[in-house]
Amino acid sequence: GAVVSQHPSRVICKSGTSVKIECRSLDFQATTMFWYRQFPKQSLMLMATSNEGSKATYEQGVEKDKFLINHASLTLSTLTVTSAHPEDSSFYICSASIPTRPTEAFFGQGTRLTVV
Amino acid sequence: GQNIDQPTEMTATEGAIVQINCTYQTSGFNGLFWYQQHAGEAPTFLSYNVLDGLEEKGRFSSFLSRSKGYSYLLLKELQMKDSASYLCAVMDSNYQLIWGAGTKLIIKP
Repeated sequence: GAVVSQHPSRVICKSGTSVKIECRSLDFQATTMFWYRQFPKQSLMLMATSNEGSKATYEQGVEKDKFLINHASLTLSTLTVTSAHPEDSSFYICSASIPTRPTEAFFGQGTRLTVV
Repeated sequence: GQNIDQPTEMTATEGAIVQINCTYQTSGFNGLFWYQQHAGEAPTFLSYNVLDGLEEKGRFSSFLSRSKGYSYLLLKELQMKDSASYLCAVMDSNYQLIWGAGTKLIIKP
């Protein structure tokens, strides 16, 4: 099956610093990747949809300048949390889809971000 | 608006059967998914239904009625490791997943 690798799995950073999370599709080309955030005991909330070679589409209420998404290649999308604050502490998950199988979603392992 | 409803929490006994219901209202429909999520981990795929009826896969089965906007996940022969959150998600006309809040399933010995 298709594999999506997300790195790092856990990160602790100081308030005010930036953190980059990588999402790679290992054995397929993902033209579309999705970034989710999940707070404790809540469901996944879509932050943005990332298409290779174009600007990401952000959901309402998600700050574009704070959550920078880059999808420079068909196998890599990155999410950078800039000037992180403790309220940004959350579980971030990426997923990718295959163009020929749009109804399937393949998830990365998730990244637990803690801002202190 | 788009809406997915599922119970917040359920409790069942090891070895028993439990049914987790999900109702939905979405703009378009390209299938309904069930995922299992253990605390601190990403969701793992359990089932996909796009046509009405029952899909059986080992101890897990999933049912869909598109006319009723309703699905359920049936877990048989419950094991302690089945304790997790179960997420219902519908793929809308734009192929985006709309997620339910998840049902926390607690298995007791």
